[in-house]
Amino acid sequence: DIQMTQSPSSLSASVGDRVTITCRASQGISNSLAWYQQKPGKAPKLLLYAASRLESGVPSRFSGSGSGTDYTLTISSLQPEDFATYYCQQYYSTPPLTFGGGTKVEIK
Amino acid sequence: QVQLVQSGAEVKKPGASVKVSCKASGYTFTSYGISWVRQAPGQGLEWMGWISAYNGNTNYAQKLQGRVTMTTDTSTSTAYMELRSLRSDDTAVYYCARSRTATSSGWYLDYWGQGTLVTVSS
Repeated sequence: DIQMTQSPSSLSASVGDRVTITCRASQGISNSLAWYQQKPGKAPKLLLYAASRLESGVPSRFSGSGSGTDYTLTISSLQPEDFATYYCQQYYSTPPLTFGGGTKVEIK
Repeated sequence: QVQLVQSGAEVKKPGASVKVSCKASGYTFTSYGISWVRQAPGQGLEWMGWISAYNGNTNYAQKLQGRVTMTTDTSTSTAYMELRSLRSDDTAVYYCARSRTATSSGWYLDYWGQGTLVTVSS
């Protein structure tokens, strides 16, 4: 099974900050990576797939990059509604479908 | 618009079974698979398995093999997840999610149900 490791597990940031979250796979996943946002008490929401492709309706301040085993999610200018927990998920080798442990973005 | 609407919260005793439903609308049900993902209180996301709504093929997480069964009813566009021999560590919010096939063997989850809280307690 491919293991996904996210870092940091949490971070504090201010509105307007640039935020970067990292996801590392235990083996190469050829950009087969999705990112989700989850707010408290809500279901996750798909943000990006194929490492860098923005899902329809997702603001352009969200972007993704990476290759091989290392990927990043960047929020270019953090907005109040972006405070949430973010998860990466690989789909290069399934089953099983595996998620990172999550990164909680909190208000500084 | 695509919607997945799940059944309501359940409270079960250890050893019992639970069956959660997920009714889909707004798309052709048989064109996508359905994955089930659970989230224990304060924890991350755990994939439980996947079912093809087209032919009923399934893939289950190894740790749940033998305790979980996923089915679909194409006449009502509804997916079901049954978990048996419940334990306290099965307490979690259970989500269904539409699975968009991205590669020959992989998929990601583009629409999610609202979640169903299953509490296992004596």
